Amino acid sequence: AQSVSQHNHHVILSEAASLELGCNYSYGGTVNLFWYVQYPGQHLQLLLKYFSGDPLVKGIKGFEAEFIKSKFSFNLRKPSVQWSDTAEYFCAVILPDTGRRALTFGSGTRLQVQP
Amino acid sequence: KAGVTQTPRYLIKTRGQQVTLSCSPISGHRSVSWYQQTPGQGLQFLFEYFSETQRNKGNFPGRFSGRQFSNSRSEMNVSTLELGDSALYLCASSLPSLAATDTQYFGPGTRLTVL
Repeated sequence: AQSVSQHNHHVILSEAASLELGCNYSYGGTVNLFWYVQYPGQHLQLLLKYFSGDPLVKGIKGFEAEFIKSKFSFNLRKPSVQWSDTAEYFCAVILPDTGRRALTFGSGTRLQVQP
Repeated sequence: KAGVTQTPRYLIKTRGQQVTLSCSPISGHRSVSWYQQTPGQGLQFLFEYFSETQRNKGNFPGRFSGRQFSNSRSEMNVSTLELGDSALYLCASSLPSLAATDTQYFGPGTRLTVL
């Protein structure tokens, strides 16, 4: 079964610092990749997604992610974080060739941005 | 457009009881998926419904069931509740294209506590 790994469980940054959150998946076939964010007390919402084409994907609120197929990775980046980016971030994968649209999520990374 | 709505938002039950949770998708969306979120297991896929048919099912016992109505609203039922069923149950809806690339829009969840 496919799995998604997020190795950073808790990240603490100061405002204006750069962010990179790791995401690795274990599946050799075609993947669709997603980053979701869950702000305190709010719904899960999509930051960005990758399914084909340019491996560098830009999302909302200045986030971007790079798909590196050879490394099975889809890391999330932001050049300068703000206090409002404090949230939990989830990487997820769908395997389109299976016909299943179930999202398999990583365990999440809790980001705390200090003012 | 109104987002995904879930009722009730909070629920307290005792072991052995059963519970029904409701989800109303975004207008025009015909696919509804359910996920369970717990601190220990993270976000896990329960099942997906499309046009009143269950298309996919996650690795959960038969005590977990669901259905979808002709207006795309969905319910999930958990019978014979166990303490480990305490979780946030999330519903997500997406467009009717069945493409794996469709964004799944999440509701606020129903927090179930089993005593």
